[in-house]
Amino acid sequence: DTEVTQTPKHLVMGMTNKKSLKCEQHMGHRAMYWYKQKAKKPPELMFVYSYEKLSINESVPSRFSPECPNSSLLNLHLHALQPEDSALYLCASSLNEGRQETQYFGPGTRLLVL
Amino acid sequence: AQKITQTQPGMFVQEKEAVTLDCTYDTSDPSYGLFWYKQPSSGEMIFLIYQGSYDQQNATEGRYSLNFQKARKSANLVISASQLGDSAMYFCAMIEVSYNFNKFYFGSGTKLNVKP
Repeated sequence: DTEVTQTPKHLVMGMTNKKSLKCEQHMGHRAMYWYKQKAKKPPELMFVYSYEKLSINESVPSRFSPECPNSSLLNLHLHALQPEDSALYLCASSLNEGRQETQYFGPGTRLLVL
Repeated sequence: AQKITQTQPGMFVQEKEAVTLDCTYDTSDPSYGLFWYKQPSSGEMIFLIYQGSYDQQNATEGRYSLNFQKARKSANLVISASQLGDSAMYFCAMIEVSYNFNKFYFGSGTKLNVKP
């Protein structure tokens, strides 16, 4: 079983809203990731949560904040987003954060910011 | 310099024929991993195949095989007997240890269209 689930599948929000994206895996993976993907572009890594340690891509603005309630959940809190933040947000997990660990992706959340 | 280069933005292949998607990479790390993912229009990234830098043999997974040429730093994906369902975007990716955290680099992708 290599399933990563994400909710919601689609989200439309205004620039003053606060919302959260959820990601869950029950594969016992120790590393989880959030990516942002604009249309016709490759995914860009935003955050890595591995062995209870969060690593952040420095280019990600503070209006995105990850939260890891437990080892199988990784949420992404959204606040005061901009229209340019509209994208597909992909969550992934891997057994470890090793060099050669395959990442398994969820179906993604399509976010539209108005 | 680009870490992963995919030079074919789009490709067409006839159903049941084989197709090769090109990927070259750039790293000075002796230990790294190379991956291919398929992304249909639905958006989900589907893992296809993995090749480790120390693996002696080319990886194969069903109709997918990875033509790994380490000296040339290329990791081309070969899809045999193409099917209509293979039409999708294909991303080549590499994992490499960096200063802050391990980084996962994606290429720009190749859009494959399989013609009936």
